[in-house]
Amino acid sequence: QKEVEQDPGPLSVPEGAIVSLNCTYSNSAFQYFMWYRQYSRKGPELLMYTYSSGNKEDGRFTAQVDKSSKYISLFIRDSQPSDSATYLCAMSLYNQGGKLIFGQGTELSVKP
Amino acid sequence: NAGVTQTPKFQVLKTGQSMTLQCAQDMNHEYMSWYRQDPGMGLRLIHYSVGAGITDQGEVPNGYNVSRSTTEDFPLRLLSAAPSQTSVYFCASSYVQGVQYFGPGTRLTVT
Repeated sequence: QKEVEQDPGPLSVPEGAIVSLNCTYSNSAFQYFMWYRQYSRKGPELLMYTYSSGNKEDGRFTAQVDKSSKYISLFIRDSQPSDSATYLCAMSLYNQGGKLIFGQGTELSVKP
Repeated sequence: NAGVTQTPKFQVLKTGQSMTLQCAQDMNHEYMSWYRQDPGMGLRLIHYSVGAGITDQGEVPNGYNVSRSTTEDFPLRLLSAAPSQTSVYFCASSYVQGVQYFGPGTRLTVT
């Protein structure tokens, strides 16, 4: 069983929809939770970053961490065609910033 | 500020050849890491470094070698390339906690 599980999709939604992306994990010691966005043939770019539990909002994006359920989510409101990309969840232990464990990535397509 | 840079962008090798993938960062980050990305597998950690002179293995280290003589540079060496090493390679850097910043990647094909 992988330490981090993520539904690979693909996920296709109409423009303006609310998108929900999720990951589950098995290691309860993870402390840092990240969402990266990766456009085709590009490197991953950081989208959201959360330490421990709770919610974080940045514009149309909201990240949630539920450590009791070992479950993290990324919500995208009013989705745009420019949001079409692969979304990767990643997490790490305390003081181990160089060792990210990634999910498989979810491919999202937002149709105009 | 160039961030994380990687060279080359593309490379084709024959089985058994060796080569070095270059990675440099100008953000004075302590941590640097190498990942490979294969379809359906996400990114998997090959090797990482917590500072100059200190390296350690990640999830998939076999067939790769690293060293870190300066804070800025973290080259990845393929000792004897195999078709199973065909992949996209990403270098990343960070401070101690959490967030890593990625380079643009090197696409490697081994025939």
